[in-house]
Amino acid sequence: EDKVVQSPLSLVVHEGDTVTLNCSYEVTNFRSLLWYKQEKKAPTFLFMLTSSGIEKKSGRLSSILDKKELSSILNITATQTGDSAIYLCAVDRRGTGTASKLTFGTGTRLQVTL
Amino acid sequence: EAGVTQFPSHSVIEKGQTVTLRCDPISGHDNLYWYRRVMGKEIKFLLHFVKESKQDESGMPNNRFLAERTGGTYSTLKVQPAELEDSGVYFCASSQVGLYRRQYFGPGTRLTVT
Repeated sequence: EDKVVQSPLSLVVHEGDTVTLNCSYEVTNFRSLLWYKQEKKAPTFLFMLTSSGIEKKSGRLSSILDKKELSSILNITATQTGDSAIYLCAVDRRGTGTASKLTFGTGTRLQVTL
Repeated sequence: EAGVTQFPSHSVIEKGQTVTLRCDPISGHDNLYWYRRVMGKEIKFLLHFVKESKQDESGMPNNRFLAERTGGTYSTLKVQPAELEDSGVYFCASSQVGLYRRQYFGPGTRLTVT
């Protein structure tokens, strides 16, 4: 059965700290790995990773995929209170045609304190 | 651009009753997905529509759940009769057709069965 595991489950840091969130997966027919941020309601898209070793970056957030190790990390530098959220990792696997099916991890709950 | 919307935001019903959840995808998105998060667990895939056709309903828990997408626009998910274990947050997501298309999530409907 497909599995996505995230660590740590929760994390409390001080504003300005740098954090690294981990995601490992066991999925057949891997297509891509996605990171989402969930604050109150809808998960919002952060990154989609398809190739190993290529870093995706958006402001203070960056992410990289390691297909050999079946894992990905999400880095947040100079954290702010607005970064407090649940960070979800999901893996998309190839289905029929372009059909998509996301398998999620349980998420990492990040709290950034002043 | 309007995002994915879901109605209601919260529903409380008694065991044995019927509930219908609605999802309006982003205009032009032919792919529509339903997911569910039961408390303490990860978000799990329920089913996938392409326009009005069910592409994959392998995640539907049992025949008490019925999803429809008449006309290929909005979708409904009916639970009849509801059981206690159906409580959770039901998310809808939509995407354009094609490879590597991100899924946009709605805010979810929190269903509580008492």
